[in-house]
Amino acid sequence: DAGITQSPRYKITETGRQVTLMCHQTWSHSYMFWYRQDLGHGLRLIYYSAAADITDKGEVPDGYVVSRSKTENFPLTLESATRSQTSVYFCASRPGLITTNEKLFFGSGTQLSVL
Amino acid sequence: LAKTTQPISMDSYEGQEVNITCSHNNIATNDYITWYQQFPSQGPRFIIQGYKTKVTNEVASLFIPADRKSSTLSLPRVSLSDTAVYYCLVGGILTGGGNKLTFGTGTQLKVEL
Repeated sequence: DAGITQSPRYKITETGRQVTLMCHQTWSHSYMFWYRQDLGHGLRLIYYSAAADITDKGEVPDGYVVSRSKTENFPLTLESATRSQTSVYFCASRPGLITTNEKLFFGSGTQLSVL
Repeated sequence: LAKTTQPISMDSYEGQEVNITCSHNNIATNDYITWYQQFPSQGPRFIIQGYKTKVTNEVASLFIPADRKSSTLSLPRVSLSDTAVYYCLVGGILTGGGNKLTFGTGTQLKVEL
């Protein structure tokens, strides 16, 4: 859906460099998520956020940092990129707890290569 | 959090009905069952969600037995464009389990002519 956008679409970087992946949603959804997708592992949750200034770890948080100063933005930072972080990264969002619908809306992904 | 088990892959032909079963033996009382579809180079897309019995929408049907330990996604009369990976998820809202929705590896469906 056009309501959630990720940038950049593709990124190549070198080991040790800091990289920030951006995620922006226009629905004012409370929850936002970062997943990484690798062959043989499906989608794995890195971090999620329940609201501005509230974040929590997922399955694979090591090596990543997130922030949520505004409801609509949820950047993911690799402070010192490693080759093992080469992956496709997906951002997602969903409404808050007032709804029983667990429907997640995903961005188009960022393909990151760490050389 | 309920763990799910799905077949790694399935093959079908155009016009056939496809049923993908997901096992979730330790599903909790508050957990819903949700299915997503993912095409190459795209993020997953919501297909259908249910809690019990049967749910149907314009795309698929979801069958959930009384014990809720499994669920079956049914795709009627598939076409080539249904070739994708299908993920089954379980998660709850009230317990906070929905905040850590885990996707697993999904089922790769391949539809041929």
